[in-house]
Amino acid sequence: GAGVSQSPSNKVTEKGKDVELRCDPISGHTALYWYRQSLGQGLEFLIYFQGNSAPDKSGLPSDRFSAERTGGSVSTLTIQRTQQEDSAVYLCASSLAPARGSSNSPLHFGNGTRLTVT
Amino acid sequence: GNSVTQMEGPVTLSEEAFLTINCTYTATGYPSLFWYVQYPGEGLQLLLKATKADDKGSNKGFEATYRKETTSFHLEKGSVQVSDSAVYFCALSDLKGGSGGGADGLTFGKGTHLIIQP
Repeated sequence: GAGVSQSPSNKVTEKGKDVELRCDPISGHTALYWYRQSLGQGLEFLIYFQGNSAPDKSGLPSDRFSAERTGGSVSTLTIQRTQQEDSAVYLCASSLAPARGSSNSPLHFGNGTRLTVT
Repeated sequence: GNSVTQMEGPVTLSEEAFLTINCTYTATGYPSLFWYVQYPGEGLQLLLKATKADDKGSNKGFEATYRKETTSFHLEKGSVQVSDSAVYFCALSDLKGGSGGGADGLTFGKGTHLIIQP
């Protein structure tokens, strides 16, 4: 497809279980971002990938969160031992970069994965 | 650090009313400013942008002017439609000034939920 694709669109999991969220960026976009959108909290940056560079993990809230990007394309966000406070919409975005968030390379967002931890 | 503050919602208006959503920012460098829109069930989309002081971004009848003297980027539309109902995010990209909430220079406000009633 032409846009950023995320799967699953909804995920319900039990507390303590691990989950994997997938993001397929727009073809040719070298920059990939993960954000978390919680009710009333806006968008929280999690992690950023740019080409073959080491990812910027400074936004990951705990060591239960990790992400990888294989072959410079698809990315997987993994949350281990999920907690109820992890419930949120997880958004993936991509851009042409290399200037992150520059006016010449706006972010293109997927529709997100709504995670509910029961 | 960088921050974006926007009016809290929900904002409820009647169709054809005039819309203003306030946004002010704090940045250490020379930011570019953006408005993103998130329609129900969808990801964020870039609505408009402005890269320097006094620039006006416009799209789909929406406008916002980059006001450096008041550090503002208020979103306006002269006559809203039911289809404008969405969540609107103000954001800044401050590549020269270093990181804010996004570590990549891209910082989002918390979003304003706009509801337009017929």
